Amino acid sequence: DVKVTQSSRYLVKRTGEKVFLECVQDMDHENMFWYRQDPGLGLRLIYFSYDVKMKEKGDIPEGYSVSREKKERFSLILESASTNQTSMYLCASRDSGGAVGELFFGEGSRLTVL
Amino acid sequence: AQSVSQHNHHVILSEAASLELGCNYSYGGTVNLFWYVQYPGQHLQLLLKYFSGDPLVKGIKGFEAEFIKSKFSFNLRKPSVQWSDTAEYFCAVNESGGFKTIFGAGTRLFVKA
Repeated sequence: DVKVTQSSRYLVKRTGEKVFLECVQDMDHENMFWYRQDPGLGLRLIYFSYDVKMKEKGDIPEGYSVSREKKERFSLILESASTNQTSMYLCASRDSGGAVGELFFGEGSRLTVL
Repeated sequence: AQSVSQHNHHVILSEAASLELGCNYSYGGTVNLFWYVQYPGQHLQLLLKYFSGDPLVKGIKGFEAEFIKSKFSFNLRKPSVQWSDTAEYFCAVNESGGFKTIFGAGTRLFVKA
């Protein structure tokens, strides 16, 4: 069974703190993604990685960075958390081969910034 | 830029009622289309997908969707909903061969028993 695991389900941080969200997939997928999910806005792409050490900005990268040192792991970093980054963060992975790019999602990490 | 529009943000139905959730996208090229579902407390999962061939696609749990290219639409349907279909539904699109999948705002469906 495919598995995308996010390290923390719930986090509470203070404004200005550095936050790490980690994601691990066991499907040997090349592509990995970080989205944030907000009510009424759906999912918005923050960053994605199409291979190890490769990364691309998504639609809302400001205030975020990412790291992909190993194929199975993709980390999202908030250098200095702000209250407007309170959200649900979803990690996803996808096989680069195949006819259609279905995404496999983790359970999500709900971050509250006080 | 690509965008996805879902017509209804909240839908309330009684069991056995028919369901149709609207989805329109803006992109002129070849696309892959998806519906994802998020049941309460669970992760997002694929409901169905279209990439080529028969424009009427069938997914899990009796759902189907029809791709109408001329209308840039990919509406989700189910003839008779159940209480267990209560969930949030997301329409999504990506450019064929592209990396980015763009999601709509989602539709929250509540089915009354």
